[in-house]
Amino acid sequence: DVKVTQSSRYLVKRTGEKVFLECVQDMDHENMFWYRQDPGLGLRLIYFSYDVKMKEKGDIPEGYSVSREKKERFSLILESASTNQTSMYLCASSEGVGAAYEQYFGPGTRLTVT
Amino acid sequence: DQQVKQNSPSLSVQEGRISILNCDYTNSMFDYFLWYKKYPAEGPTFLISISSIKDKNEDGRFTVFLNKSAKHLSLHIVPSQPGDSAVYFCAAKIKIGPFNPNDYKLSFGAGTTVTVRA
Repeated sequence: DVKVTQSSRYLVKRTGEKVFLECVQDMDHENMFWYRQDPGLGLRLIYFSYDVKMKEKGDIPEGYSVSREKKERFSLILESASTNQTSMYLCASSEGVGAAYEQYFGPGTRLTVT
Repeated sequence: DQQVKQNSPSLSVQEGRISILNCDYTNSMFDYFLWYKKYPAEGPTFLISISSIKDKNEDGRFTVFLNKSAKHLSLHIVPSQPGDSAVYFCAAKIKIGPFNPNDYKLSFGAGTTVTVRA
């Protein structure tokens, strides 16, 4: 079974803090993704990576950056957290990004910025 | 602007009856559609998918129907069971570049919360 783990289930940070969300997958997948889930909006893609040290912007990259130094690990960074970044953050990985490849998700990190 | 829309935020159904979840999309270039299921405190898990060249795909109690002319797909769960109570996300894939195999983008709907009553 594919396992995608996220470093924290719940996180509370103050406005202006730098926040790191970590994601690790154990299936040697090439591709990794960061989404945020908000009520009424579904899942929106923030960034994705299809190889080590490679990254691509998703639909809502503003205010975020990412790092992929190792194949199994993909980090999401909030340089200066703001209250509108309070959300559920979901990491996913997939073997490929072609039509038939499904994405495997981690359990999510509920981030609250106060 | 959401290209994948799930207009019903919630659905309540009696155990043993059929659950029908609907999804509409606006971009005719989507070529693959997926349904994900999400329990509270867990990440979404893949449920079933359908290619745009088909109009039906069945997997046990789950069937997905695709109507390309109407840009509409639906998920049928028969019979519904209490364990089916979850949030269901419709998602669609589109190829956004001609050469790079990584040029696929996945767009999600807002989700439908299904409650199966015993």
